[in-house]
Amino acid sequence: DVKVTQSSRYLVKRTGEKVFLECVQDMDHENMFWYRQDPGLGLRLIYFSYDVKMKEKGDIPEGYSVSREKKERFSLILESASTNQTSMYLCASSSNRGSGYTFGSGTRLTVV
Amino acid sequence: AQSVTQLDSQVPVFEEAPVELRCNYSSSVSVYLFWYVQYPNQGLQLLLKYLSGSTLVESINGFEAEFNKSQTSFHLRKPSVHISDTAEYFCAVLKAAGNKLTFGGGTRVLVKP
Repeated sequence: DVKVTQSSRYLVKRTGEKVFLECVQDMDHENMFWYRQDPGLGLRLIYFSYDVKMKEKGDIPEGYSVSREKKERFSLILESASTNQTSMYLCASSSNRGSGYTFGSGTRLTVV
Repeated sequence: AQSVTQLDSQVPVFEEAPVELRCNYSSSVSVYLFWYVQYPNQGLQLLLKYLSGSTLVESINGFEAEFNKSQTSFHLRKPSVHISDTAEYFCAVLKAAGNKLTFGGGTRVLVKP
């Protein structure tokens, strides 16, 4: 089974802090994704990557950046955390077309 | 661009009753279709998928979905729900030539005893 691991289940950070959310997958998937999930808004794509060192903006990239230096790891960076970035963050990976995504368990981030 | 509409945001249902979650999509190209389930405080898990072949697909826990190309729908059904089916369900679409899923807004199912 593919496993996608997000480093933290819960995080509390202060406004203005730089925040790193880490995601690791163990099945050599080419594609990796970061979503945020908010009540009433569903899942919104922040960034995705289809290869090492490659990245593309999703629907809501503002205030975020990403890093993919190794195939198995995709990091989401909040350059200067703000309270409106309080959310559930979900990482996912996928391989060949049509296989769907495998999701991590999520990181619930609270910015105070 | 494709879009996915889940017509019901919440569906309350009694235990052992049937449930149907509606999903419609719009796309000008061939698509693959998915249903994901999210239990409280967890990530999303793949429930079932349609890639090709038989338009009726089933999951191991009694859910089924039928792909209807003419109506551009992929509704999810279960003939008899359990308390443990309480969760949020997401319909998603993938372009056959793409690698990025588009999700619906989700349907929250609350099974009552």
